Amino acid sequence: DGGITQSPKYLFRKEGQNVTLSCEQNLNHDAMYWYRQDPGQGLRLIYYSQIVNDFQKGDIAEGYSVSREKKESFPLTVTSAQKNPTAFYLCASSTRQGANGYTFGSGTRLTVV
Amino acid sequence: AQSVTQLGSHVSVSEGALVLLRCNYSSSVPPYLFWYVQYPNQGLQLLLKYTTGATLVKGINGFEAEFKKSETSFHLTKPSAHMSDAAEYFCAVSVEGSARQLTFGSGTQLTVLP
Repeated sequence: DGGITQSPKYLFRKEGQNVTLSCEQNLNHDAMYWYRQDPGQGLRLIYYSQIVNDFQKGDIAEGYSVSREKKESFPLTVTSAQKNPTAFYLCASSTRQGANGYTFGSGTRLTVV
Repeated sequence: AQSVTQLGSHVSVSEGALVLLRCNYSSSVPPYLFWYVQYPNQGLQLLLKYTTGATLVKGINGFEAEFKKSETSFHLTKPSAHMSDAAEYFCAVSVEGSARQLTFGSGTQLTVLP
């Protein structure tokens, strides 16, 4: 079955480290998205990509970076510039037509130690 | 630009009672509307959607929602709550011309009391 896979499920980062969260989909979706979720704050868009080799900043892109070298993959790097990275991160994908909304991964919980 | 308002960040119901989660949207063009459910430490799962056609849509787990254009609403209902319905629910809207990107509401946490 097709789906979207995020790894790892849990990730621990030391102060000053960069970490990369993986997101892979085999749904043949053109668009991919990264969201951050904090308790009581809903979903906040970090970055999105509508096509390979192109991506745009969302509402809270500072301290994050992404790449989209392959249609299937959209990794998110949380850099040391992100001062409060502890959160639940969700990756999603969709078709260009959007009639089925987004398909979400199961998330990565990042904790700074 | 489109927007979504979910009334009530927390809703509690007794097991067996009616579930009603409210969602109002703002859009100048016909919207696509979605409800998602999220269980703790998991991703969001699509419950149901409205794109075109019948305004009453049925989804998984016995949920349904009705698109009411005149009221700009898309409320989620379930006749009889089950303990397993306890989760967070998100309403979302997308419109043509925005690359069909979803705009999410802030979520409603549903608690089911025994």
